[in-house]
Formats: sequence, structure tokens, C-alpha cells
Amino acid sequence: EVQLVESGGGVVRPGGSLRLSCAASGFTFDDYGMSWVRQAPGKGLEWVSGINWNGGSTGYADSVKGRFTISRDNAKNSLYLQMNSLRAEDTALYHCARVDTAMVTGYFDYWGQGTLVTVSS
Amino acid sequence: DIQMTQSPSSVSASVGDRVTITCRASQGISSWLAWYQQKPGKAPKLLIYAASSLQSGVPSRFSGSGSGTDFTLTISSLQPEDFATYYCQQANSFPVFGGGTKVEIK
Repeated sequence: EVQLVESGGGVVRPGGSLRLSCAASGFTFDDYGMSWVRQAPGKGLEWVSGINWNGGSTGYADSVKGRFTISRDNAKNSLYLQMNSLRAEDTALYHCARVDTAMVTGYFDYWGQGTLVTVSS
Repeated sequence: DIQMTQSPSSVSASVGDRVTITCRASQGISSWLAWYQQKPGKAPKLLIYAASSLQSGVPSRFSGSGSGTDFTLTISSLQPEDFATYYCQQANSFPVFGGGTKVEIK
């Protein structure tokens, strides 16, 4: 069974940093691209960042470019999102999602339940 | 950047009704479109990919159509478990989601 379990969320002050993790199991992790998708409270879905199977190619939404960094450790079956210079508008539930191919982008066939990030003073 | 516009933003329907949701891309995306269902407090679930391909395990009452800029998700006979919010997503370039359509009980 495919499982994606996020962790690392919490409350942080504006300008602060946070590192999210996603532990994957039930599939061959390095066969797939991975992404982070967020959802602000009561709002819709927003793609944040994606990474291909070996980490050699990444992509970012304009809203986080230069502040967030996606990475993966295939030996640990883990995905990460380093978030710096956090803003109030980054407050959201952050989901880890599997891409249905080895590439940066595609369709998201499995999702984690998410980890909540709150940016507030 | 490609923008995705869904309509309506909400729809009230009864069990057994046929429901149609529309998604329009600001530029052509061929058939690079997916539909997701999200229930409150849950992660989204992939229903349709490549505009009209049914994801494994999804009931056949769900269907998708369209190509280029105009796409449709149809639920042929609404069931109680189908009341949820539905999102389209383009995969022609970096992913962009539509604003969502909430299907509510009439």
C-alpha cells in the first residue's frame, strides 16, 4: 500500500524557516517524481514545487521561488521542503504528492494527509 | 502562465442527478488535464487523467471529456458519497489547479 506521511509543520514567525519531510513507503520511491501541494485554510489547491526521480530537475511556483528548496533522499525514501523567509500567506496545509511518472510534473496519483504550517507573529 | 477557470463554483444537486463541471484553460493544453475529488478533512483523490482516462478504482459514473482549452467532468448519477469539492489540474507545464467546484446536497 502506498503511504505518504508528512511531518515538520508548526507555528513560525514571519521571516522564519521550517523544513518539511515526507516519508514514502509501499512503492519504489526513485521511480517517481514528487511534489508539494498546499491548501490555505478554506481555499483551493496550489502546486508549490516538484522534483524528478533523481533530484536532477526541480520546479517552483512563482510565489515561492527563491525562498523554498525541494530535495529528496532516495536512500531514505524521503522528500523534503526547506522553507525560508516565510510569510503569512504561506500559511497552509502542505501535502506531499506522488507524480505518476518519473518527471517533475504530471498527475498526482497518491497524496499524504498533509502537515500544517502557520506563519504568525 | 496558464490559468484554469472552473465553473460553476458551486452546484446544488440531488442523488441521482447528472452533474457537469467545466474547466477552461487560458491556452491550449492538448489533453493534459486531470480531475480530483476532495472531501472535507481529506486529501484529494485522482479521478480522471489525460482528460478522459478513468483512474483505477474510480466508479464508471465519473467521466471526463475535452481537449485543447475546454474540458468537462460529468457524474452521470450522483451518489451520496459524491458530495465533495472537485478540482481540475493542467499538466501541460508546471501544474495549475482550477478554483474548485463544490457539489452540495439540494
